[in-house]
Amino acid sequence: DTAVSQTPKYLVTQMGNDKSIKCEQNLGHDTMYWYKQDSKKFLKIMFSYNNKELIINETVPNRFSPKSPDKAHLNLHINSLELGDSAVYFCASSQPPGTSGYTDTQYFGPGTRLTVL
Amino acid sequence: QKEVEQDPGPLSVPEGAIVSLNCTYSNSAFQYFMWYRQYSRKGPELLMYTYSSGNKEDGRFTAQVDKSSKYISLFIRDSQPSDSATYLCAFSGGYQKVTFGTGTKLQVIP
Repeated sequence: DTAVSQTPKYLVTQMGNDKSIKCEQNLGHDTMYWYKQDSKKFLKIMFSYNNKELIINETVPNRFSPKSPDKAHLNLHINSLELGDSAVYFCASSQPPGTSGYTDTQYFGPGTRLTVL
Repeated sequence: QKEVEQDPGPLSVPEGAIVSLNCTYSNSAFQYFMWYRQYSRKGPELLMYTYSSGNKEDGRFTAQVDKSSKYISLFIRDSQPSDSATYLCAFSGGYQKVTFGTGTKLQVIP
């Protein structure tokens, strides 16, 4: 049973287009994240939501807009795609602080490989 | 100074060797120390987690933390070809923001 799932797995699109990536977790976690991993494998946090509320918003262009319809889902919409947006985007989830056994460890989805042409 | 430094490798070792992977960090607020393993074209998966100085062992894997030197290590004993992956160190201050190292690519040759 998949814990953190993302769709689509691959996304190839033209510069200037708008696209969305969807994420769902069935771990019962309250917190979800979006990470970007570039070609050098550097994994950088973009956003974090705790129970549908935005709690971390790193320096990310306004073209990126996360949306959390409920605590099990976190989507990422990207407007006016640029060449530099090409990367692998990972969704992750974790328990929130204060939860029994809290460890700040994160569970990652399989990633969405975005290629902007 | 970068918050986290990790040698990107690649590191190539023969099967059965002991592997040592290392990271240094500069943020004294970090209190959780993790190692993730990432296979090619997959998401990172948690391998080891600790929050105190000293060693923590799990099978062939040992995580070592030295808070005074701001240095963490992961040792893999009797390395197997299936251990070939990228290993990411990760740090957290407990506020849900995890800072990752750039990863070390390991190849275990049969």
